[in-house]
Amino acid sequence: EVHLVESGGGLVQPGGSLRLSCAASGFIFSDHYMDWVRQAPGKGLEWVGRTRNKADSYTTEYAASVKGRFIISRDDSKNSLYLQLNSLKTEDTAVYYCARLISGRFYFDYWGQGTLVTVSS
Amino acid sequence: DIQMTQSPSSLSASVGDRVTITCRASQGISNYLAWLQQKPGKAPKSLIYAASSLQSGVPSKFSGSGSGTDFTLTISSLQPEDFATYFCQQYYSYPLTFGGGTKVEIK
Repeated sequence: EVHLVESGGGLVQPGGSLRLSCAASGFIFSDHYMDWVRQAPGKGLEWVGRTRNKADSYTTEYAASVKGRFIISRDDSKNSLYLQLNSLKTEDTAVYYCARLISGRFYFDYWGQGTLVTVSS
Repeated sequence: DIQMTQSPSSLSASVGDRVTITCRASQGISNYLAWLQQKPGKAPKSLIYAASSLQSGVPSKFSGSGSGTDFTLTISSLQPEDFATYFCQQYYSYPLTFGGGTKVEIK
């Protein structure tokens, strides 16, 4: 059974940094593209970015709102996805979800339960 | 960026009702359209991809249609477990974008 479990959220001051993790199990992690999607409290969903798989050179894509501040990486040997959040702003406060894309396709099938990041002084 | 506009933003319906939600893209996206369901305090769940294909395990009461710019999600007979917020999402181009959501509430 596919499982995605995020961790690393918490309270951080504006300008600070945080690293989120997503532990994957139940599938061949290295085969899949993986995304981060966030949801501000009471708001809709916002795509954050993507890491492709090894076959596609682990290349990444980012939303304009986070490009240059956030970094997506992965460690296939640990079945883990990461999101490094730097230069955090209050508007980055959100639940951050990792999501798996169907192998060879570009739509989501599984989502993690999310981890809350609160940016506040 | 491609804007995704859902309507209505909320609706009230009774158990057994047929419910239709619409989603319009600001430019053509072929059939690169997904529908997601989210219950309060829970992660999104993927329901439909390629505008009309059901994800594995999703009951057939859910159906999707459309291509180009106009899409619909239909729930044929609303059940208590279907009361949730539904989002459309395009994956035609970066950045991926979502509709604002449709909250389906109990009448």
